Amino acid sequence: NAGVTQTPKFRILKIGQSMTLQCTQDMNHNYMYWYRQDPGMGLKLIYYSVGAGITDKGEVPNGYNVSRSTTEDFPLRLELAAPSQTSVYFCASSSRGNTEAFFGQGTRLTVV
Amino acid sequence: AQSVSQHNHHVILSEAASLELGCNYSYGGTVNLFWYVQYPGQHLQLLLKYFSGDPLVKGIKGFEAEFIKSKFSFNLRKPSVQWSDTAEYFCAVNPNNAGNMLTFGGGTRLMVKP
Repeated sequence: NAGVTQTPKFRILKIGQSMTLQCTQDMNHNYMYWYRQDPGMGLKLIYYSVGAGITDKGEVPNGYNVSRSTTEDFPLRLELAAPSQTSVYFCASSSRGNTEAFFGQGTRLTVV
Repeated sequence: AQSVSQHNHHVILSEAASLELGCNYSYGGTVNLFWYVQYPGQHLQLLLKYFSGDPLVKGIKGFEAEFIKSKFSFNLRKPSVQWSDTAEYFCAVNPNNAGNMLTFGGGTRLMVKP
C-alpha cells in the first residue's frame, strides 16, 4: 500500500526560484492537507482541500498556492522562494475532516 | 481558534522509566484527540485517538492516553519506555464540528537512554 507519496524528498532552492511539491494518495480520501514543520513549532496547516476542485487556506498560506484537479493529487506551489520557507513539508490525507490523517514522508526544503 | 499546548519540549528518560507527556487544548466543545509519533527521519504515524466513549484509550506499542474533559487534557502515558521510543510526539485536536482543522501542539522530543 503506497498511502501518501511526496516528491521530492529533499530540495535546495535559491531565493526567488519556484518549485512544486508533489503529493498523491491512493486511498480515495476526499480531504488532503499541506503542513510545514519547524523545530519546536509543531505542524502548521498551509492549505487544505475537501475534494477535487475545492481548496482553502490554513493557518500559514502566504507564499504558497495549491490546486486539486483530481482526488489523488494535491500539489503545493512556491512561486518566489524565500529563506522563511525553509522547512519540512508534509502532505496528509483523511477520509473525512475529523478522522485520522495519514502522512507522507515529508519534503525537506532549504532556501538559500 | 483552538490551540494545543504541550508543556514538555524535551524529555530525557532511562529505559524502564515511566512516561507521561502533557497535552492541553483550548476549545469548549466536543473534540477528537490524537497522539502522533515521529521517529527520527520518518513521517508522522498515529499512536492513538479518542473520539468518544471510554476516556482511557489504548494505542500501539503500549501507549495509552486519558481524556479528562474538565481539564481539557489528553496526556500520553507509557509505564516502561524503551530505547526504541526515542522520537518526537505530537498531540493534535480536531473540534468535532470544524471538519478540517487538525491543530497540532509544538511537539515533545523524547530521548530514552539505554
